[in-house]
Order: sequence, then structure tokens, then C-alpha cells
Amino acid sequence: DSGVTQTPKHLITATGQRVTLRCSPRSGDLSVYWYQQSLDQGLQFLIQYYNGEERAKGNILERFSAQQFPDLHSELNLSSLELGDSALYFCASSVGFEQFFGPGTRLTVL
Amino acid sequence: QQPVQSPQAVILREGEDAVINCSSSKALYSVHWYRQKHGEAPVFLMILLKGGEQKGHDKISASFNEKKQQSSLYLTASQLSYSGTYFCGTEEVEGSQGNLIFGKGTKLSVKP
Repeated sequence: DSGVTQTPKHLITATGQRVTLRCSPRSGDLSVYWYQQSLDQGLQFLIQYYNGEERAKGNILERFSAQQFPDLHSELNLSSLELGDSALYFCASSVGFEQFFGPGTRLTVL
Repeated sequence: QQPVQSPQAVILREGEDAVINCSSSKALYSVHWYRQKHGEAPVFLMILLKGGEQKGHDKISASFNEKKQQSSLYLTASQLSYSGTYFCGTEEVEGSQGNLIFGKGTKLSVKP
């Protein structure tokens, strides 16, 4: 158990819909990262927040957005969902270089 | 630019050694190594920073040749618990800090 929690574990929705994935970092960790993992694209870095501010951006689509709240939890919003958005979404947190991954949210878009 | 990992897959007997390579066409600031077991989240193994510093983690060590933009992960006296997929993530000098680009992974299977 890494100490990072993600909800929900599984999410099944339809194309065109919008969903929100939630992440609670380890106690004391200021950085939160979001990753997408699919069979096609492999593991892809989406975005990083540090203490509420966006720190780094990867291959995040414009339909996706994220934020980190004052209590340091983070949410990833995915809108206008497409079949290709089906994937495992991981959140990770860190206080230094080492990142601790949560168990992931499996998103299925039908 | 996605780094290239080699080999794509390797099968070992317990106690054997293995080397996994990660190569980029871009100048790198750092290389991160992760292991992911089937159905689980990736687990951080180590980070190599620009400067060629070699880091170790039990019987797993790594090196970083910044001139060649290459990193290698060395697994010695492999154990069954080493089985999984190993990913390298690279941070490019000219990319945004913190933006990790991952290779496609190397699947390692350790047999008794």
C-alpha cells in the first residue's frame, strides 16, 4: 500500500460523457502526478501539480483538465469521452524524486 | 521523443543476471526506472541524474551515460520477485521539467 488513494476503482461510461477521477496523495506530499496507461500508448505522463499550482504538462488532451485543491487532493476531469480514452489512470505523489503510485482507476468508455 | 528499451522481453532462471537498456535521441536531464507487476501500479526503483551517477537498490543498480543518452538497469542474482515489466522514464534537457516520457517497457520473467 503506497498511501495514495484513488476513487473510483472502476468507471464505465458512454462516449460523449464527462467523468471525474479523484486522488488523495500521501500525507505530506505536495506533488501530484497523473498518468494514463493503455495497451496502445503505454504509460503516458499527463500533468503534475505542486502545492496547488500546475508544474509540468505532458501529453494531456484539451478535453482533459486537472486541479489540486488546498487540502492537496487532486481531480482529473475527462470530458467528451471517446472510445480511445479507455485506459488505466494512475495518480502518484511525491515529496522528492521518488513517486508513489495509487492503485489506479480503470475507465471503460462504451 | 520516446526512449527505446531493449530487450523487449527476457526470461531468466533464478540467480541469473540481466541488463535492460534505455536509449534516447535527446539530451537527458534524468532517467527514472520503474517496475510494474501484472495488475498492479508501477513502483519507483531509482532515478539517475545528469552527471553519470550510479545508484543502487539492493541487487538492482543502474548507470547513466549522458553523452550517449543511455541508461542501463542491472539486475544481479535475480529473484522470483523481480518478475514484471520494467519501464524507463526520461526527462529531456529541452523538455519541460517533470515531463517524463516512458519507454514501451521490458517484460522480465524469472523462473525457478
